[in-house]
Amino acid sequence: NAGVTQTPKFQVLKTGQSMTLQCAQDMNHNSMYWYRQDPGMGLRLIYYSASEGTTDKGEVPNGYNVSRLNKREFSLRLESAAPSQTSVYFCASKRQIEAEAFFGQGTRLTVV
Amino acid sequence: GEDVEQSLFLSVREGDSSVINCTYTDSSSTYLYWYKQEPGAGLQLLTYIFSNMDMKQDQRLTVLLNKKDKHLSLRIADTQTGDSAIYFCAECLDTSGTYKYIFGTGTRLKVLA
Repeated sequence: NAGVTQTPKFQVLKTGQSMTLQCAQDMNHNSMYWYRQDPGMGLRLIYYSASEGTTDKGEVPNGYNVSRLNKREFSLRLESAAPSQTSVYFCASKRQIEAEAFFGQGTRLTVV
Repeated sequence: GEDVEQSLFLSVREGDSSVINCTYTDSSSTYLYWYKQEPGAGLQLLTYIFSNMDMKQDQRLTVLLNKKDKHLSLRIADTQTGDSAIYFCAECLDTSGTYKYIFGTGTRLKVLA
């Protein structure tokens, strides 16, 4: 069982470049989430998707866009990367009636 | 408002009990969780408690919930060096059928041999 798979695991971008972080889950979960993790700030919610075709902003959506391509996949796009977006990004998924959210292994992004 | 607070660091000796505390602000939370993150890894669910419970015990882990004070704690009995990690509490808010997680800042637990 793959669970939640994120790609890439590491990425270095120059300021102004764009990229898409990919996330896929094979557990047939309805809800998917993107978080960023910064030292001393815990996990902050960027965007989430309650079901295929819907997306909602979280705490820190500025500078990001998302696409819920289908039930399995939820991508996060940085259109014009900034050094402030240097962080570790986690994708998670959850079936609505169950308690546990499952997390990917994270993508460490550095913007120089 | 939505805010979850934890102290940043905790250091204990091996064999002692660890108590990690968390306060949250949204009383409509349906579930409250404790996640563990080891270095370089994602988050793994340790345990969770439904908001109508006061206590939940799971082997070495005890979760206490004081809903009146919006206070959640995680007690780890007989703490081992393998318990060294960052521990996050999180609340799950049911916003019109959409489940949104809010995480705390994380508590870094260091277990001294």
